[in-house]
Amino acid sequence: AQKVTQAQTEISVVEKEDVTLDCVYETRDTTYYLFWYKQPPSGELVFLIRRNSFDEQNEISGRYSWNFQKSTSSFNFTITASQVVDSAVYFCALRKGSGGSYIPTFGRGTSLIVHP
Amino acid sequence: AAGVIQSPRHLIKEKRETATLKCYPIPRHDTVYWYQQGPGQDPQFLISFYEKMQSDKGSIPDRFSAQQFSDYHSELNMSSLELGDSALYFCASSSPSRGRTEAFFGQGTRLTVV
Repeated sequence: AQKVTQAQTEISVVEKEDVTLDCVYETRDTTYYLFWYKQPPSGELVFLIRRNSFDEQNEISGRYSWNFQKSTSSFNFTITASQVVDSAVYFCALRKGSGGSYIPTFGRGTSLIVHP
Repeated sequence: AAGVIQSPRHLIKEKRETATLKCYPIPRHDTVYWYQQGPGQDPQFLISFYEKMQSDKGSIPDRFSAQQFSDYHSELNMSSLELGDSALYFCASSSPSRGRTEAFFGQGTRLTVV
């Protein structure tokens, strides 16, 4: 069975602070994919990143960076110099890597509030 | 670029009524997924279709049914609506050309049952 744990229910920061959103996963699959989605107050799910289980290279995209640690089954997401527009619920998701359709298991989400 | 289109965006129904949600996947995407997200909850997988056939089934109530049509659009039919069905319903689609490793979500249909 697959499981994604986002232990932080809500994080509140002041603009320009750095913030890290934690994601810990469980899976028996050797091949899998990890995702982060952003859900702003408007409700849509915005895809941020996909990482496959064979690629542990960390990734940086502007103010966003992701730290994939297979040894600790974690896929953490850091926002540098946060902005008010970053306020949203962020979901981490996991999907098995082979066979069948795309059915990710989502974490419960972390609500990020960035205050001006 | 074309995205997943869901209609309607908002829907208000009374208890015991029926509702039909529509999803138009990205062109050339052959797989459609439906999710339900209750208030403050994570998205829960309901059902998926591949090439017009049901491929996987999640926590979809018996009162709900869905299908994928020849043009790949999908409809989620919900009958005998209950207050607890109030949620944001997402449709997502994926493409064989990308190995279906990535699903693109629509903006969701917000269903309110009163």
